Amino acid sequence: AQSVSQHNHHVILSEAASLELGCNYSYGGTVNLFWYVQYPGQHLQLLLKYFSGDPLVKGIKGFEAEFIKSKFSFNLRKPSVQWSDTAEYFCAVNGGGGSQGNLIFGKGTKLSVKP
Amino acid sequence: ETGVTQSPTHLIKTRGQQVTLRCSSQSGHNTVSWYQQALGQGPQFIFQYYREEENGRGNFPPRFSGLQFPNYSSELNVNALELDDSALYLCASSSPGRVTEAFFGQGTRLTVV
Repeated sequence: AQSVSQHNHHVILSEAASLELGCNYSYGGTVNLFWYVQYPGQHLQLLLKYFSGDPLVKGIKGFEAEFIKSKFSFNLRKPSVQWSDTAEYFCAVNGGGGSQGNLIFGKGTKLSVKP
Repeated sequence: ETGVTQSPTHLIKTRGQQVTLRCSSQSGHNTVSWYQQALGQGPQFIFQYYREEENGRGNFPPRFSGLQFPNYSSELNVNALELDDSALYLCASSSPGRVTEAFFGQGTRLTVV
């Protein structure tokens, strides 16, 4: 069965610090990988996605993620965080051959950025 | 705004009751998925509807059921509510195609007492 593991439950950073959130998945076949963000009181929204091609993907708001197939990882990075990045971040995987919209999510990482 | 709307936003039910949650998908999207997000957890896939038929189901008991209508809106029904059903229920819609992005609504917060 597919699963997603996010290593950090809560990360606290100061503004301008660099961010890396870990994500590992368990699935043997072709996968599509996603990072979603949930700002306080708002809906889940897509930060970035990987389907195929260049393993380094860039998303909105300066976020990027690198797919490392050999490590089954898809870590999220941002060189310099802002207070407005305070939110919960979810990594998700979708088996390439499965029904679309069937996402397996990790438990999420809460990011708090101190001004 | 994603164009996916859910109603109601909050509701409180008593254990053993039944509940119906509603979702209107984004224009042009014919696939709707439902997720349960318990406190402190990531969303868990309940099931998906495509062209009015169930098209995939997660590890949820049969008392969780759904419908999709010709206009692609959808309902999630939960019978015999249990305290553990208290959660945020999310609806996501996506467009046809092999690789798609799911757009989420703001969710319905269900509290079972």
